[in-house]
Amino acid sequence: GAGVSQSPRYKVAKRGQDVALRCDPISGHVSLFWYQQALGQGPEFLTYFQNEAQLDKSGLPSDRFFAERPEGSVSTLKIQRTQQEDSAVYLCASSFDIAGVTDTQYFGPGTRLTVL
Amino acid sequence: AQKVTQAQTEISVVEKEDVTLDCVYETRDTTYYLFWYKQPPSGELVFLIRRNSFDEQNEISGRYSWNFQKSTSSFNFTITASQVVDSAVYFCALSTIYGNKLVFGAGTILRVKS
Repeated sequence: GAGVSQSPRYKVAKRGQDVALRCDPISGHVSLFWYQQALGQGPEFLTYFQNEAQLDKSGLPSDRFFAERPEGSVSTLKIQRTQQEDSAVYLCASSFDIAGVTDTQYFGPGTRLTVL
Repeated sequence: AQKVTQAQTEISVVEKEDVTLDCVYETRDTTYYLFWYKQPPSGELVFLIRRNSFDEQNEISGRYSWNFQKSTSSFNFTITASQVVDSAVYFCALSTIYGNKLVFGAGTILRVKS
């Protein structure tokens, strides 16, 4: 498809388990973003990649959160030793970004993570 | 620091009514972008509009219109003749020109009843 895709769409984890969430951006989009959306709230920024370089990870809530985009396309957000407060929808977005100038971000459907 | 405030938590209207969603923002940057996104029950954020800080012209797209006023740091969104399909959560967001990350408001739930 032409849009941003994310998998899995739903993930249930037991507390303490590690999870990996995948994002396939729109083909040719340079920038990729991860956001966390708690129930009833707006999305909050986690991290940003320009190609394979992680330029901003200021929003990652703890060192249990790790993101990578090794070949500048697909990205994975990994959460180690999940806690109940990690339960949220994780949204991925991509944008074209000519010369690094802010462009419109297009979002995927999200992965709803529930930690029991 | 950047901040976006959507004071209206929830709005209910009857079909065909006009409705305005408010958005007030704070930023120290002179150049920035403002956005509106729609989040229907399916959950995916749908882009509606992007406006840069130099362009204060109002914009109309079908039943949608946007009013950007720098003097009051507001970027309000009006839906004319609302329809049931407009029911969703609407988010206003802000980004600097090079900062890239979006700062979202808390969202406004719009319920349109038939």
